[in-house]
Amino acid sequence: KAGVTQTPRYLIKTRGQQVTLSCSPISGHRSVSWYQQTPGQGLQFLFEYFSETQRNKGNFPGRFSGRQFSNSRSEMNVSTLELGDSALYLCASRVGISTNEKLFFGSGTQLSVL
Amino acid sequence: GDSVTQMEGPVTLSEEAFLTINCTYTATGYPSLFWYVQYPGEGLQLLLKATKADDKGSNKGFEATYRKETTSFHLEKGSVQVSDSAVYFCALSDLNSGGSNYKLTFGKGTLLTVNP
Repeated sequence: KAGVTQTPRYLIKTRGQQVTLSCSPISGHRSVSWYQQTPGQGLQFLFEYFSETQRNKGNFPGRFSGRQFSNSRSEMNVSTLELGDSALYLCASRVGISTNEKLFFGSGTQLSVL
Repeated sequence: GDSVTQMEGPVTLSEEAFLTINCTYTATGYPSLFWYVQYPGEGLQLLLKATKADDKGSNKGFEATYRKETTSFHLEKGSVQVSDSAVYFCALSDLNSGGSNYKLTFGKGTLLTVNP
């Protein structure tokens, strides 16, 4: 069974641009979460989607948005990029929304903002 | 709000040494506690978890016990190997937030390097 797939693996953008990252969950998983990982702040929760609906959102500005499609694939978008948005963005999936379910993480998209 | 504090390291050990990585937490409800491991260039993998007080999670020789009285979940391994070199993250999910608000709160991570 394929794991969580994130594309692209690496991305370089300049300030002010926007970017879209993609995440394909494990087959059969309907919940997708996004996390931002930086050396200074560590891992921070961005949002979670289930059945195409955002269920929870972390403390990030409105420039960060996401969506989920009917096949459970998810995208996150960051508009008007800032230098501080440089980070590893991790996607994680799980079967449903039970609190006891295990999260499976992808390898991430490394975003560099110049 | 919820928070996790873990020793940031880096930690450097010789093969077969004893490992302890300290983790303490603050939570408003009744959290589940986790240790995740991240190998270079990879995403996070769940190493072990404990869902209630006094539970012991264990996997691959690693252990951690949920101590409510000290709000701690320290990771231990009796004899580390070179292949254990990775970044280790302590995390919690607060069940009091309800299933609809599920998220993980992570510590900053501890880099472990094991030398042969």
